Amino acid sequence: DAKTTQPTSMDCAEGRAANLPCNHSTISGNEYVYWYRQIHSQGPQYIIHGLKNNETNEMASLIITEDRKSSTLILPHATLRDTAVYYCIVRVRISGGYNKLIFGAGTRLAVHP
Amino acid sequence: NAGVTQTPKFQVLKTGQSMTLQCAQDMNHNSMYWYRQDPGMGLRLIYYSASEGTTDKGEVPNGYNVSRLNKREFSLRLESAAPSQTSVYFCASSKMAEGAHPSTEAFFGQGTRLTVV
Repeated sequence: DAKTTQPTSMDCAEGRAANLPCNHSTISGNEYVYWYRQIHSQGPQYIIHGLKNNETNEMASLIITEDRKSSTLILPHATLRDTAVYYCIVRVRISGGYNKLIFGAGTRLAVHP
Repeated sequence: NAGVTQTPKFQVLKTGQSMTLQCAQDMNHNSMYWYRQDPGMGLRLIYYSASEGTTDKGEVPNGYNVSRLNKREFSLRLESAAPSQTSVYFCASSKMAEGAHPSTEAFFGQGTRLTVV
């Protein structure tokens, strides 16, 4: 599985956009980029995923560069409740139909008033 | 709809004791996973089960065994607990992939906090 590199920590002011970068320079053609977050010590929560096109859902937007070597998760209007550890994961589909999620250390996002 | 349920939520064991962590999902998912998370670190995959009847080792399987009891349940057993197994354990489940698309998101339980003294 391709490895990902994320900053250890980031800060964001409440109401502003939070842009979380991720490098995945060894990603291959059939590997998807997934984002999860973990609030305090709860179980991780799915946010969004994409292959090569930009994606948007009710939680966030995902921007993937044309060469797919990096991506950015955007929380358009961060709130205090978005304070969490954000994990960028490259996920490969294994024959047989299942995938493994391999987590790195993630980015600790602190949203402040 | 309960999602992924783990029991117990907290457990303290003495070194050498055994115990089984239980996990059940009610989403009719094929794949289930066990992870551990140590303080300040990301999650590490212990074992996974692609579908009922199959199990495979993840990144850190030593000291653990698993059983996929049926489609709903996937248990993790510590035969002889060691202090190094003090951690938070998360169970997760996901659909199996269909066609060219990977499986959809994995859903996680709320964790079991295990301390081995």
